[in-house]
Amino acid sequence: GAGVSQSPRYKVAKRGQDVALRCDPISGHVSLFWYQQALGQGPEFLTYFQNEAQLDKSGLPSDRFFAERPEGSVSTLKIQRTQQEDSAVYLCASSTGTGSNTIYFGEGSWLTVV
Amino acid sequence: EDQVTQSPEALRLQEGESSSLNCSYTVSGLRGLFWYRQDPGKGPEFLFTLYSAGEEKEKERLKATLTKKESFLHITAPKPEDSATYLCAVPTSGTYKYIFGTGTRLKVLA
Repeated sequence: GAGVSQSPRYKVAKRGQDVALRCDPISGHVSLFWYQQALGQGPEFLTYFQNEAQLDKSGLPSDRFFAERPEGSVSTLKIQRTQQEDSAVYLCASSTGTGSNTIYFGEGSWLTVV
Repeated sequence: EDQVTQSPEALRLQEGESSSLNCSYTVSGLRGLFWYRQDPGKGPEFLFTLYSAGEEKEKERLKATLTKKESFLHITAPKPEDSATYLCAVPTSGTYKYIFGTGTRLKVLA
């Protein structure tokens, strides 16, 4: 596709529900990132994939957060047993290479936990 | 520890009133500094990449510059449509992640 595509754009979950957020990166992009952005803050790193390999998951806040990219293209961020503090925008980004390339963001998935 | 700090947090300008946004960084071996624009409800949109001190990039009313410690985003004769949050980011040393500042919320009044 022309850009990074994320779905759903908006999700309201009841506390304790599981949610899955999907990211479709720019075609051919090797690197894929997930970021979390709270209101009024900059994006905070969650995890990084190089093709299908998850090389850095140091930013995942708890073991309730899980991400995968099984075929090296589409990625899913899963949050189990959602809590109110999980409410945020979840941004996916991709880039062509594995070095200090420009990363391009999707529009984000807005998660509200009630 | 690698760090990015942006100032001011918020800036209100009259249309046509030029100003500068600051991004200070601490990182071992800078591998690029990235500027993004973010509109409400949208993802960050890429503006510029700078790689070495002294480098400058321009796009319409925006010009980004880089020194060994900081980057500036200069806005010349801004218009209301330049209102947005401007973010800067750097790749960290020894890892794959990029760290972002908290952004400068710019409001340009007509």
